[in-house]
Amino acid sequence: AQSVTQLGSHVSVSEGALVLLRCNYSSSVPPYLFWYVQYPNQGLQLLLKYTSAATLVKGINGFEAEFKKSETSFHLTKPSAHMSDAAEYFCAVTINNRKLIWGLGTSLAVNP
Amino acid sequence: DTGVSQNPRHKITKRGQNVTFRCDPISEHNRLYWYRQTLGQGPEFLTYFQNEAQLEKSRLLSDRFSAERPKGSFSTLEIQRTEQGDSAMYLCASSLEDGGYTFGSGTRLTVV
Repeated sequence: AQSVTQLGSHVSVSEGALVLLRCNYSSSVPPYLFWYVQYPNQGLQLLLKYTSAATLVKGINGFEAEFKKSETSFHLTKPSAHMSDAAEYFCAVTINNRKLIWGLGTSLAVNP
Repeated sequence: DTGVSQNPRHKITKRGQNVTFRCDPISEHNRLYWYRQTLGQGPEFLTYFQNEAQLEKSRLLSDRFSAERPKGSFSTLEIQRTEQGDSAMYLCASSLEDGGYTFGSGTRLTVV
């Protein structure tokens, strides 16, 4: 069975600091991996996706993620945090490109 | 096309009443998904359509839940005899076959 683990339910960074949100997956076959962002009382917005092409994936708002098969990881990074980045971030995996299996989410706080 | 549209945005209903939600996907997307999200959790898969065919249904979906997608366009999710445990955000998403799901803003259901 596929699963996703997001390490750290809450992450706090200072404005301008590096953002690192961790995601590890479990899959017996090559997965597709996604990061989504959710602002309060809103739906989910796709940040980026990995679909077996380049292992370093660039997304919107300056975010990127690197697929590391040996570590079964797909961590999300941003070099410099902005106040507007404060939100809930979800990592998700799909194997058959049908339903998404989600992590529990990481709440990112950005301090001035 | 302005993306995935869900109506209503909010619904408050009394326990025991029936409710119906609507989702209008991106017109060229042949796949449509319903998820449920409770506070502090990631989304949970409910069901999935490819065109008008309902291809998968989660065991989370009791007999009180039914979804349709007539003509492979919009979809409805009906909950009969609502219970307080049904209170959640109901999210709809659509996609092409290469993933990259686009989510609607969700319908927040409160059962009182």
